[in-house]
Amino acid sequence: TQLLKQSPQFLSIQEGENLTVYCNSSSVFSSLQWYRQEPGEGPVLLVTVVTGGEVKKLKRLTFQFGDARKDSSLHITAAQTGDTGLYLCAGGDAGGTSYGKLTFGQGTILTVHP
Amino acid sequence: EAQVTQNPRYLITVTGKKLTVTCSQNMNHEYMSWYRQDPGLGLRQIYYSMNVEVTDKGDVPEGYKVSRKEKRNFPLILESPSPNQTSLYFCASSLIAGGETQYFGPGTRLLVL
Repeated sequence: TQLLKQSPQFLSIQEGENLTVYCNSSSVFSSLQWYRQEPGEGPVLLVTVVTGGEVKKLKRLTFQFGDARKDSSLHITAAQTGDTGLYLCAGGDAGGTSYGKLTFGQGTILTVHP
Repeated sequence: EAQVTQNPRYLITVTGKKLTVTCSQNMNHEYMSWYRQDPGLGLRQIYYSMNVEVTDKGDVPEGYKVSRKEKRNFPLILESPSPNQTSLYFCASSLIAGGETQYFGPGTRLLVL
């Protein structure tokens, strides 16, 4: 079973601060996705990274996939109260007979205070 | 509107009483999946389906069944629910598996007494 460890589990910061969330595994993933989930709703995809070393930017959010495709990070610059939510990373199986499997990290609850 | 729908949204039942949670998508997606979400554990995949009549186990399939007779529907069946299946369940779909955007349903909150 592939495992993804997210850290930190909880993050409480002031508006305007920067933050980084990490997603680590000992397994190789074919792709790595980041989701954001608000209370009472399903997760919404933020980004997918598929190439080792890939960096993607989405406004104030920067996503990186590790060279070995075992880890990823999400960096938010100048956090806003609207960034508050649960952030989840998810790794796609690297192939074989489990191609459709998706493994999620346990999530990071981010609270941005005004 | 492109969406994934789940029913019911909330369900309280008793141990051993069979139940089905329906999931339907209107995007002609090939890939569908069921997850359960528990505090501190994130989302764990129960079953997934690459296409009609093709299903496979995720990480926590015990106590659950699925079927994929039509492309749009992927029901989750609990033949004999137990209290440890109390959870928040999400259905999701994507065009194909592997790196594609997954669209999640609104969730079904299940309480098994």
